[in-house]
Amino acid sequence: SQTIHQWPATLVQPVGSPLSLECTVEGTSNPNLYWYRQAAGRGLQLLFYSVGIGQISSEVPQNLSASRPQDRQFILSSKKLLLSDSGFYLCAWSVGSASRGYTFGSGTRLTVV
Amino acid sequence: AQSVTQPDIHITVSEGASLELRCNYSYGATPYLFWYVQSPGQGLQLLLKYFSGDTLVQGIKGFEAEFKRSQSSFNLRKPSVHWSDAAEYFCAVGALNRDDKIIFGKGTRLHILP
Repeated sequence: SQTIHQWPATLVQPVGSPLSLECTVEGTSNPNLYWYRQAAGRGLQLLFYSVGIGQISSEVPQNLSASRPQDRQFILSSKKLLLSDSGFYLCAWSVGSASRGYTFGSGTRLTVV
Repeated sequence: AQSVTQPDIHITVSEGASLELRCNYSYGATPYLFWYVQSPGQGLQLLLKYFSGDTLVQGIKGFEAEFKRSQSSFNLRKPSVHWSDAAEYFCAVGALNRDDKIIFGKGTRLHILP
C-alpha cells in the first residue's frame, strides 16, 4: 500500500538558520508531489509542486525552495529562515490527475524563534 | 480559474445535532470535488469525493455531500455529530489535467458542544 512519510514532526529553529524538511512516498511510482503551508486562520497555501524528478513549480515567491532528487523524495529548504516562515508544513502526493485527490503526510510544525 | 469558498469560518453545534458545512466552487467545466478533515496537529484526511454520477456522495465517518450544479455547491452533511467530529474541514476542487492542482477552501472549524 502507498504511504507518505514526513519528518520531523516538530522543529524549532532560530531566525537565519537553514531548513530542510523531507517527504518520501512509498508504494507508488512517478507521483505528483506537493508542499503546502498552513498558517493560523489562513487555510492551505500551495508552495511548490512537482510532476517529476528535477521538475519544480513554485506557486508563490518566498524564502523557500524545493527539490526532487529522486522519484519519491521531495525536500523543502531554506538558506536563512525568517520569523514569517513559521507554520505547519504539509507534504502531499497524487498519481495521475488531481481528480484522484491528494494523500497528505502528517505535517511538520515549524517555529522560527 | 478554479476557486472554492467556504463562507463559515467557525460553526458550533451540539453533540447529536445535524450538521451542514457549506462549500461553493467556481470552475468552467464539471469539477472534481473533495472534502477533507484535519484534526489538530495532523495532516488532512479525505472524507469523500465527487467525480460524476450520483450527486449524493457517501463518505467515511457517516458524512455525505451533495453536488448541486445549479448552485455551484458541494455541501457536507452529517445527521448526528459526535464530539470526535470536532476538527477543521476543507472543501476542495480539482481538474482533469495531470499537472493541475487541487484548490482548497480556507476551511471551516467545527466545534461540538456537549
